Amino acid sequence: GAVVSQHPSWVICKSGTSVKIECRSLDFQATTMFWYRQFPKQSLMLMATSNEGSKATYEQGVEKDKFLINHASLTLSTLTVTSAHPEDSSFYICSASAGQRIAGFDEQFFGPGTRLTVL
Amino acid sequence: GENVEQHPSTLSVQEGDSAVIKCTYSDSASNYFPWYKQELGKRPQLIIDIRSNVGEKKDQRIAVTLNKTAKHFSLHITETQPEDSAVYFCAAWRSPLGFGNEKLTFGTGTRLTIIP
Repeated sequence: GAVVSQHPSWVICKSGTSVKIECRSLDFQATTMFWYRQFPKQSLMLMATSNEGSKATYEQGVEKDKFLINHASLTLSTLTVTSAHPEDSSFYICSASAGQRIAGFDEQFFGPGTRLTVL
Repeated sequence: GENVEQHPSTLSVQEGDSAVIKCTYSDSASNYFPWYKQELGKRPQLIIDIRSNVGEKKDQRIAVTLNKTAKHFSLHITETQPEDSAVYFCAAWRSPLGFGNEKLTFGTGTRLTIIP
């Protein structure tokens, strides 16, 4: 199956610093990438959807100036958490779809996640 | 927007017995319903899915049923094994404006524990 990687797998940073998380599709071209965050023992909440070469679409309640998303190529999307605070500590997961529209759905392939801890 | 509810939040089942997890959705435009299994600290893995033109689908010990009229779908795991222990998420897919605006909405998750 399609492989999606994320880097780093975990990061600890001080409050006020910015953290960049990379999401890569390794063996396919991802027309769309999705960013989710997941708090402990909770569900995945979609933060934003990004298409290569265009601005990301953010979900209601997600600050676009705080969570900067760049989908620079068909294999790479980045999420930058700017001026991180302890409440931003979470598990961030990306997913990518190849745009192969089988019966109206593009299967999303998930990355392994990045655990962010802000001190 | 779409709202997906999932029950129960936790489920303990004796090894060999069956487990059933139920989800309801609100948006009648949703037409694809995947189920994911997530182990602690790992990525969600697609285990089975069902499309809106199908009422039931089975893959070995796993089956999913869909009732479009009632807007609910269920995951059934038979002959449960210890390795089935994980968190399971249902999801609903909608494409409100055609291609390019699709998204998955996840249920709240069910922590399934198989008791040896």
